[in-house]
Amino acid sequence: AQSVAQPEDQVNVAEGNPLTVKCTYSVSGNPYLFWYVQYPNRGLQFLLKYITGDNLVKGSYGFEAEFNKSQTSFHLKKPSALVSDSALYFCAVRDIGGGKLIFGQGTELSVKP
Amino acid sequence: NAGVTQTPKFQVLKTGQSMTLQCAQDMNHEYMSWYRQDPGMGLRLIHYSVGAGITDQGEVPNGYNVSRSTTEDFPLRLLSAAPSQTSVYFCASSYSGFSSYNEQFFGPGTRLTVL
Repeated sequence: AQSVAQPEDQVNVAEGNPLTVKCTYSVSGNPYLFWYVQYPNRGLQFLLKYITGDNLVKGSYGFEAEFNKSQTSFHLKKPSALVSDSALYFCAVRDIGGGKLIFGQGTELSVKP
Repeated sequence: NAGVTQTPKFQVLKTGQSMTLQCAQDMNHEYMSWYRQDPGMGLRLIHYSVGAGITDQGEVPNGYNVSRSTTEDFPLRLLSAAPSQTSVYFCASSYSGFSSYNEQFFGPGTRLTVL
């Protein structure tokens, strides 16, 4: 069965430092992987996706994610965090053969000045 | 484009009441879906539709009904509300098919409390 795990409920980072939000997945075939961000009292916004090709995917707001097939991971990264990046981040996976979009439980990112 | 819109933003129901959560999109998307968001559980798929006249169940469909008479609208009906249905509900849409790689666009959500 498909699944995605975000091992950290919360990540705390100082402004200007690099940030990483972790995600691991389990699918039967090749995955489609997504990252979404949710600001307080808002809907989810798409950040980036991996379908195929380069393992480093660049997305919105300076975020990028690294796909690692051997480690079945898709970690979200940003070189220099901003206070405005504080939000809830969701990783999601869809099996390339078809199937529902499965979300992780979310990671709360807090960036302090 | 308004994108994906949802009404109401907030709703309080008593146990046993019924109601309909409205969702509309103006992007001509084929695929629409309903999720519920509960703390520590991420988003769980309730029902989805791959086009007008076609709906199917997601992960947690019990207690909810949907229909898709037009491309634009995808209402979610709570038949007899229960406290376990207290949650935040999100509608989402995307360009095509159930198994496509297109990202989904989300509405702002409806916060539902069932007393």
